[in-house]
Amino acid sequence: QVQLVESGGGVVQPGRSLRLSCAVSGFSFNSCGMHWVRQAPGRGLEWVAMISNDESQKYYADSVEGRFTISRDTSKNTLFLQVSSLRVEDTAVYYCARDPNQRFWFDLWGQGTPVTVAS
Amino acid sequence: VLTQSPATLSLSPGERATLSCGASPSLRFNYLAWYQHRPGLAPRLLIYDASTRATGIPDRFSGSGSGTDFTLIISRLEPDDFAVYYCQQYRSSPPTFGGGTKVEI
Repeated sequence: QVQLVESGGGVVQPGRSLRLSCAVSGFSFNSCGMHWVRQAPGRGLEWVAMISNDESQKYYADSVEGRFTISRDTSKNTLFLQVSSLRVEDTAVYYCARDPNQRFWFDLWGQGTPVTVAS
Repeated sequence: VLTQSPATLSLSPGERATLSCGASPSLRFNYLAWYQHRPGLAPRLLIYDASTRATGIPDRFSGSGSGTDFTLIISRLEPDDFAVYYCQQYRSSPPTFGGGTKVEI
């Protein structure tokens, strides 16, 4: 079955870290770019980060640059997002998404993992 | 910047929905996608390159437009179509989304 399944979200204090995971199945993971997109409560969608199929290119939104790190493990068919120095404004549902042609549109999404940053 | 209108569209099953997305500046090569997002579910790609339907998307959904004005039409609303719809540009970095249009009964 072609799917993306996120995990790793939770409630965390400001300044702390989490590692989000996205398990991939049903397609060739190493042929696609992958992204993280988030949605804060009551807000729209916000692109967060992208990694190319061969890991040679990584891009970040200005709001997370220097604090978040995207990576992938092809042997485990898993995408990661290390989120550090968390802020209250990072509270959101985090979605992983597939980019089949590395053109920055997303043809497959997971159901998301929620992250709440609160003291 | 992508501006979607209206913010909310109240319609009945079987009716036609017309959603707008305005882009500033103009989107070269019509690099625009549309997504459907139902509560608690994964977002779903409907349209890319402004008018190309994604795999498995029924022909009730159609996209059109160029430059600064884009439209998503749902010709005959079905119960599962009541959701929030987002446009997204990928002409420039970072990719950005519009604020969404909620299609409600």
